Amino acid sequence: QQQVRQSSQSLTVWEGETAILNCSYENSAFDYFPWYQQFPGEGPALLIAIRSVSDKKEDGRFTIFFNKREKNLSLHIKDSQPGDSATYFCAASDTGNYKYVFGAGTRLKVIA
Amino acid sequence: DAGVTQTPRHEVAEKGQTIILKCEPVSGHNDLFWYRQTKIQGLELLSYFRSKSLMEDGGAFKDRFKAEMLNSSFSTLKIQPTEPKDSAVYLCASSLRGGAEQFFGPGTRLTVL
Repeated sequence: QQQVRQSSQSLTVWEGETAILNCSYENSAFDYFPWYQQFPGEGPALLIAIRSVSDKKEDGRFTIFFNKREKNLSLHIKDSQPGDSATYFCAASDTGNYKYVFGAGTRLKVIA
Repeated sequence: DAGVTQTPRHEVAEKGQTIILKCEPVSGHNDLFWYRQTKIQGLELLSYFRSKSLMEDGGAFKDRFKAEMLNSSFSTLKIQPTEPKDSAVYLCASSLRGGAEQFFGPGTRLTVL
């Protein structure tokens, strides 16, 4: 049972474009959605996160758009750089249950 | 401040061997997680400790996988006996408290021949 689904296994964009990574979930109880970034040979690191009371969270070039009714969210990476090439994981959890459920990840490649 | 430390970084084992992976969480963190990462299954939770108490032991991983937290600053994951299908990256993560950001270690890449 895949509770958190990322629609693309991989995504390639040109430098300077906006990369859009999509994620959907099934459990209505989920209320916290972190995105993790992972480079080869390293563990995932928190990039940005949103709570379900918000519909948008911005941090520099990274923005999460959240749609509670549709149970989906997306990560937008503005002005993509080759250094953004990594795997991005969408995750979800609910208050009181401290486990994260991770999506399968989207491998982003930014071409110079 | 030191992050999550995992040793060894790489491990090669013969089928049937016992291996022990080690993790030191961020100092002061109360929650510790063990995950297995593969290309096919992604990130799967193996074990979850809260203040050294085992909260979840990973369901399907119970029979050959055993995680222990001997003290608040050290945890081990034992796989006994290993099988080729256990080849994966094993990640340890810690967080300050339930629901807070999880900080991941660099992982141990296990290859079982």
